[in-house]
Amino acid sequence: DSGVTQTPKHLITATGQRVTLRCSPRSGDLSVYWYQQSLDQGLQFLIQYYNGEERAKGNILERFSAQQFPDLHSELNLSSLELGDSALYFCASSVGDRGIYEQYFGPGTRLTVT
Amino acid sequence: GESVGLHLPTLSVQEGDNSIINCAYSNSASDYFIWYKQESGKGPQFIIDIRSNMDKRQGQRVTVLLNKTVKHLSLQIAATQPGDSAVYFCAENSENTPFNSGNTPLVFGKGTRLSVIA
Repeated sequence: DSGVTQTPKHLITATGQRVTLRCSPRSGDLSVYWYQQSLDQGLQFLIQYYNGEERAKGNILERFSAQQFPDLHSELNLSSLELGDSALYFCASSVGDRGIYEQYFGPGTRLTVT
Repeated sequence: GESVGLHLPTLSVQEGDNSIINCAYSNSASDYFIWYKQESGKGPQFIIDIRSNMDKRQGQRVTVLLNKTVKHLSLQIAATQPGDSAVYFCAENSENTPFNSGNTPLVFGKGTRLSVIA
């Protein structure tokens, strides 16, 4: 158990809908990262927050947005969903905001868009 | 742009044999590398890391080798066990990536699936 929690574990929704994925980092970690993993693909970095502020942005679509709240939990909002958005979404946390800090991954949310 | 790739998408080894998983990177500025293990239905788990001032680092049954000349990274697993069956990802970054640089904190490769044959 990494100490990172993600909810829900599974999510099935229709095209055009909007969903929110939630992540709680490990106690003491200030950075939260969001990744997308499609079938047979590696982890695609989406976005990083550090202590409430956006720190780095990767291949995140404009239909997607995220935020980190004062209690450090984070939410990833996916809107106008398309079939291609079906994937595993992972959240990770680390104590610092640079790549040298070990990232601890949550169990993921499996999103299925039908 | 930055890219991290893996030479082999799948690897099958006999239980008890040694496994070698390879990874190539293209960013010569990268100075920090990590190997992650992802078991089915779980999130990636840190295995071992290495900084660019080292050529080799050993952990418990695992060794990471770094060849900066050819930008190649490998993960060696000794006496491979059924529990080692998973997808292995390499990831790379620059330790000195400054704040708000816009650089991706870590760039992950596509992964190699290791299957251990009992």
